[in-house]
Amino acid sequence: GAGVSQSPRYKVAKRGQDVALRCDPISGHVSLFWYQQALGQGPEFLTYFQNEAQLDKSGLPSDRFFAERPEGSVSTLKIQRTQQEDSAVYLCASSRGGVTTDTQYFGPGTRLTVL
Amino acid sequence: AQSVSQHNHHVILSEAASLELGCNYSYGGTVNLFWYVQYPGQHLQLLLKYFSGDPLVKGIKGFEAEFIKSKFSFNLRKPSVQWSDTAEYFCAVNYNFNKFYFGSGTKLNVKP
Repeated sequence: GAGVSQSPRYKVAKRGQDVALRCDPISGHVSLFWYQQALGQGPEFLTYFQNEAQLDKSGLPSDRFFAERPEGSVSTLKIQRTQQEDSAVYLCASSRGGVTTDTQYFGPGTRLTVL
Repeated sequence: AQSVSQHNHHVILSEAASLELGCNYSYGGTVNLFWYVQYPGQHLQLLLKYFSGDPLVKGIKGFEAEFIKSKFSFNLRKPSVQWSDTAEYFCAVNYNFNKFYFGSGTKLNVKP
């Protein structure tokens, strides 16, 4: 089947705007992760869902960041009042089960540029 | 804070040369270890992983990695690289349920 997809692939926002980034995981995958990847850095954990439950949101940098996965499939990462430091690639990954040794499958990412 | 260090940011090799990319982590307990690769224009994908058993693990495309607990290391190796191995390589560590910590990546450029 299809892999993980993300939309939009590119997003330009003016500082202060709200943005919503979408992730479609592989069908049937239980676990879903969001990461933030700044230029020249590795992915940094933001949040984790197991089905519809957000089990860990400790990596979200501020209360302007909010993620949801209401039906246990598609997930949305929302950033309110964007700041220039939010500019990064946002990666979504899914894995089949709830075990940490399961392989994570990554999407192509959404490149967010905040002007 | 826990960290993952990748010592080389950019490596240039000729085809058929041997490769070793370093990865060190700072957590002293039980860890799961991963190497991911991102080929130009493609998504991050898993190369190999270690969570228990034989500390020498083999992955796809002839890559292998060795877990040395006493050195907190999980170095990636390949005896003979090919031009198609040109990519960015990321080491990742998991020790806390669902949290994964990635290194900053090593860009490998293989000259034909």
